[in-house]
Amino acid sequence: NAGVIQTPRHKVTGKGQEATLWCEPISGHSAVFWYRQTIVQGLEFLTYFRNQAPIDDSGMPKERFSAQMPNQSHSTLKIQSTQPQDSAVYLCASSLGTSGNTLYFGEGSRLIVV
Amino acid sequence: GEQVEQLPSILRVQEGSSASINCSYEDSASNYFPWYKQEPGENPKLIIDIRSNMERKQIQELIVLLDKKAKRFSLHITDTQPGDSAMYFCAASTGGNNKLTFGQGTVLSVIP
Repeated sequence: NAGVIQTPRHKVTGKGQEATLWCEPISGHSAVFWYRQTIVQGLEFLTYFRNQAPIDDSGMPKERFSAQMPNQSHSTLKIQSTQPQDSAVYLCASSLGTSGNTLYFGEGSRLIVV
Repeated sequence: GEQVEQLPSILRVQEGSSASINCSYEDSASNYFPWYKQEPGENPKLIIDIRSNMERKQIQELIVLLDKKAKRFSLHITDTQPGDSAMYFCAASTGGNNKLTFGQGTVLSVIP
């Protein structure tokens, strides 16, 4: 069990560019979550999928952020027209999907927008 | 949606003493309360959790308490060791989904 795999681990992008982050959940896990971590805001929920269907995207900034889960083995988080305030560690987590199951986090993708 | 408050944000204790972190939540429907430990440069990892049908749970030196009436829960680390130094997050989720709302985190430093 390799755990949740996130790529890239680090990404530096220029202001206005697009950034795509990838997540491979643990095999057999039906729920995938995206969180954003910054020193100021802590761990912020962005969105989550269950059985590939989007369930809750209440934490997603509406205009520039989008997430997809085209198949059970990967999810992507895309940020268009990146801004310096998007700089953060983006964490993907997966779980068995039902209430009270442990969330297993990936190592995160550190995004720096210059 | 749910909101979780966590205090203190910074905690320094002497090795061998106890450390306590307190959290409160707003949604009375929340029924699952995990605690995660995050070491520098690493991902958060579950260390202990408690469900709403319990008031107390202990795993070795970790004790969690849940007061549903007051909507508060807490983590107590007894006999702290330098290896306990890390960031700790509390979280809450409501039945029916596994979406966790996290507290702001506590940086624990155990002084040898």
